[in-house]
Amino acid sequence: SQQGEEDPQALSIQEGENATMNCSYKTSINNLQWYRQNSGRGLVHLILIRSNEREKHSGRLRVTLDTSKKSSSLLITASRAADTASYFCATVSLPPIQGAQKLVFGQGTRLTINP
Amino acid sequence: DTGVSQDPRHKITKRGQNVTFRCDPISEHNRLYWYRQTLGQGPEFLTYFQNEAQLEKSRLLSDRFSAERPKGSFSTLEIQRTEQGDSAMYLCASSRWGRTSRSGANVLTFGAGSRLTVL
Repeated sequence: SQQGEEDPQALSIQEGENATMNCSYKTSINNLQWYRQNSGRGLVHLILIRSNEREKHSGRLRVTLDTSKKSSSLLITASRAADTASYFCATVSLPPIQGAQKLVFGQGTRLTINP
Repeated sequence: DTGVSQDPRHKITKRGQNVTFRCDPISEHNRLYWYRQTLGQGPEFLTYFQNEAQLEKSRLLSDRFSAERPKGSFSTLEIQRTEQGDSAMYLCASSRWGRTSRSGANVLTFGAGSRLTVL
C-alpha cells in the first residue's frame, strides 16, 4: 500500500519558473526521500531529509519537512526542460512499525517543463 | 561498477506462462529490493533481501511469485502462471546497510526496470 500522497498529481509550468510539489504521509518516519523518474526508466535519488531536520538544500532543490503535519514539499527553482519527469516522495518508518526498513513510495507528481 | 542491472528490459508473454527476471545489484550493496510499478502509480514494495536472507515479503507477493538471492549477489524474481494483472514494470534496487546505516538512511539505487506485458 502507498504511504504518501503527492499533490498535485500533475504540474505543467514554463521553463525558468519554480515548481513546488507536496507530499503527505501517514506514519512516524525516520527520514523522507525524494526520487525522480524519467519516462520508462528507473528512479534516481535526489535528496534525503531526516525527521529532526526542517529544511535541506541541494543545488536547485529545496526540501522542507513538517513532522507535525506529516508533510513535505520539494521546490525546484529555475526549472529546465530536463527537469521534466515524475517525482516521488518515499518514507522510511520508525521502528517498531513492521516493515520499517523499506521505502514506501507515494503516487508521484508528473512535472512537465514547457520550453 | 555500472550500477544496478536488470534483465530482460522487456518481456512479452502469454497468460499462463512463467517468467523470470534477474537483477544484478551494485557489488558492495548487501540489500536488494524488488518493487512493482504500474502506469501512473508509484512503486509498490514486493520483497527485500539482506545478503541471501529474504527479510520481508509484501502481501502483494502471491504464491505465484518467488524471489531468490542464493549467494547474496544477484537476485531472480519468478512469476508462475502469469495473469494479465501482472503486467507492470518490475524494479530492482540495492543499498548498502551496515553499522553506519543504523540511523535509517536507506538510500536506494534503482535499475532501469523490467517491463512485463502479459497478453
